[in-house]
Amino acid sequence: DAGVTQSPTHLIKTRGQHVTLRCSPISGHKSVSWYQQVLGQGPQFIFQYYEKEERGRGNFPDRFSARQFPNYSSELNVNALLLGDSALYLCASSWGRRNTEAFFGQGTRLTVV
Amino acid sequence: QQQVKQSPQSLIVQKGGISIINCAYENTAFDYFPWYQQFPGKGPALLIAIRPDVSEKKEGRFTISFNKSAKQFSLHIMDSQPGDSATYFCAAVYSGGGADGLTFGKGTHLIIQP
Repeated sequence: DAGVTQSPTHLIKTRGQHVTLRCSPISGHKSVSWYQQVLGQGPQFIFQYYEKEERGRGNFPDRFSARQFPNYSSELNVNALLLGDSALYLCASSWGRRNTEAFFGQGTRLTVV
Repeated sequence: QQQVKQSPQSLIVQKGGISIINCAYENTAFDYFPWYQQFPGKGPALLIAIRPDVSEKKEGRFTISFNKSAKQFSLHIMDSQPGDSATYFCAAVYSGGGADGLTFGKGTHLIIQP
């Protein structure tokens, strides 16, 4: 069975640009969560989507948005990129609404120059 | 505000030894405590998890010890191997109806020396 897949794996963007990151959850999982991991730190919660609705949001500015599609895949969008947005963006999927038994993808490494 | 405090920041253990990583939390609304292992360039991988009604859980060489009254939990890696060298994160999940995601500690960089 395929695990959580994310694309692209690496991305370089310029300040002020917009970026879209994609995630496909494990088959049968209905919940997708997004995390930002800055080098040397633990992942920070950005969003959770369950059954295509936003169920939770972390302490991130409105430049960050996301959505979940009918097939449970998800997109994370970041507008007006800042240098500080450079990080590993992780997607996690779980079966139910709660973030127990959450499985992560390999992440998208975003570099903002 | 860091809600899950993890220590030590880095740890060096000899092959065959026991690696111990500690975490403490403040919010008693947490009710699920997983540990994740992360290798460079990879996403975190779920290792083992525990709920507060259990004091210890063992899976292979990995054991979680949980002290509810002290609001502390720890990961023990028995017979540590060079392949265990990675960054380990403790985490916690709220019991409430809201979806607050996983709250992670800052991580422990573990090195197992051959």
